[in-house]
Amino acid sequence: EAGVAQSPRYKIIEKRQSVAFWCNPISGHATLYWYQQILGQGPKLLIQFQNNGVVDDSQLPKDRFSAERLKGVDSTLKIQPAKLEDSAVYLCASSARLTGGSSYNSPLHFGNGTRLTVT
Amino acid sequence: SQQGEEDPQALSIQEGENATMNCSYKTSINNLQWYRQNSGRGLVHLILIRSNEREKHSGRLRVTLDTSKKSSSLLITASRAADTASYFCATDFGAGKSTFGDGTTLTVKP
Repeated sequence: EAGVAQSPRYKIIEKRQSVAFWCNPISGHATLYWYQQILGQGPKLLIQFQNNGVVDDSQLPKDRFSAERLKGVDSTLKIQPAKLEDSAVYLCASSARLTGGSSYNSPLHFGNGTRLTVT
Repeated sequence: SQQGEEDPQALSIQEGENATMNCSYKTSINNLQWYRQNSGRGLVHLILIRSNEREKHSGRLRVTLDTSKKSSSLLITASRAADTASYFCATDFGAGKSTFGDGTTLTVKP
């Protein structure tokens, strides 16, 4: 099966500019996640979708970050305006797991991420 | 914090030796997962162990789970240079959300 696709691979922007990341999950995966990984740390969940609905966005800085998953497939994550502390790798993951469903023990499948540098 | 914590932060061994990494967490879990991340790449799933399981094997990997101690260990036997990577545990407390620790960086010297 094709893996999780993310683009772009790298992005360099100046602070206060905007940026968008795109993710195409594994076909048929209902759940999609965006994680932020700062250098030397583990991934931190930003937002979790199940189909096209938001399950958890409690850690998403909503004053500057937004995400959508149109038609329950592809997803975009946007930052506007960017700050220096947003420099990180943004990872998209998908899973067959469903909240409350029998497949909740399914693992996550990650893309290779987008490395964002804010100068 | 609910996230798992890996120990040690860094581990350096010779090729052929075994590597053991530990993960501790604070609240009850549905399952615990181990992932590997090579430099500049995404995370790759290694093993998922459910809360009612005590041990799982996959090739040279062995994972144990002790829910009474709220801890898990990942053992890599007969390590290879290609095993050099960061290893993360992720705990699932429900709602399909996995929370990651900060990882163990493993270096296997040829």
